[in-house]
Amino acid sequence: GAVVSQHPSRVICKSGTSVKIECRSLDFQATTMFWYRQFPKQSLMLMATSNEGSKATYEQGVEKDKFLINHASLTLSTLTVTSAHPEDSSFYICSARTLNTEAFFGQGTRLTVV
Amino acid sequence: LAKTTQPVSMDSYEGQEVNITCSHNNIATNDYITWYQQFPSQGPRFIIQGYKTKVTNEVASLFIPADRKSSTLSLPRVSLSDTAVYYCLVGDRVNTGFQKLVFGTGTRLLVSP
Repeated sequence: GAVVSQHPSRVICKSGTSVKIECRSLDFQATTMFWYRQFPKQSLMLMATSNEGSKATYEQGVEKDKFLINHASLTLSTLTVTSAHPEDSSFYICSARTLNTEAFFGQGTRLTVV
Repeated sequence: LAKTTQPVSMDSYEGQEVNITCSHNNIATNDYITWYQQFPSQGPRFIIQGYKTKVTNEVASLFIPADRKSSTLSLPRVSLSDTAVYYCLVGDRVNTGFQKLVFGTGTRLLVSP
């Protein structure tokens, strides 16, 4: 299947700093990318959906000024967690798809804010 | 978006066949049914997708009745490495824009020796 690469796989940052997570579709052009967060023993929670070149659509309750999403090209989307706090510690997962295909997921990023 | 309902957990033993059923009563005409597998600290992995009747690949089979209000993922002869969470998603595969992929609670499968 298609490959979606997420980087970094793990990151530890200090409270108040910002962290950027990259999501790349390596062998296909993704018309749509999704960002999820997942807490231990829970399901994936959709944060936002974005099309290339347009603003992301955020789910209710997700602060768009805190979780900045940039979908600059058909192969790259970034999620920036601004002014991170310990409660932002979570597992962040991106997903990418094209028309007429299933979604492919990255390997996830474990964010720990200390 | 069609909501899905799955059992929270299931237990099985190595070598057995496991069937996980998903209910999606308000599935739309254009919706496909897709199953994903997730191991701890990894992103979900695509298993199988179908629209109606039966679909089979090297990993699993997907059974969809005529009314499409439910579907069953069948894993033949499970092994310990099949211990994971399995998610059923329902959504439009063919679309001109984009569609949200919303995960339900999933089914936590535990395979024992």
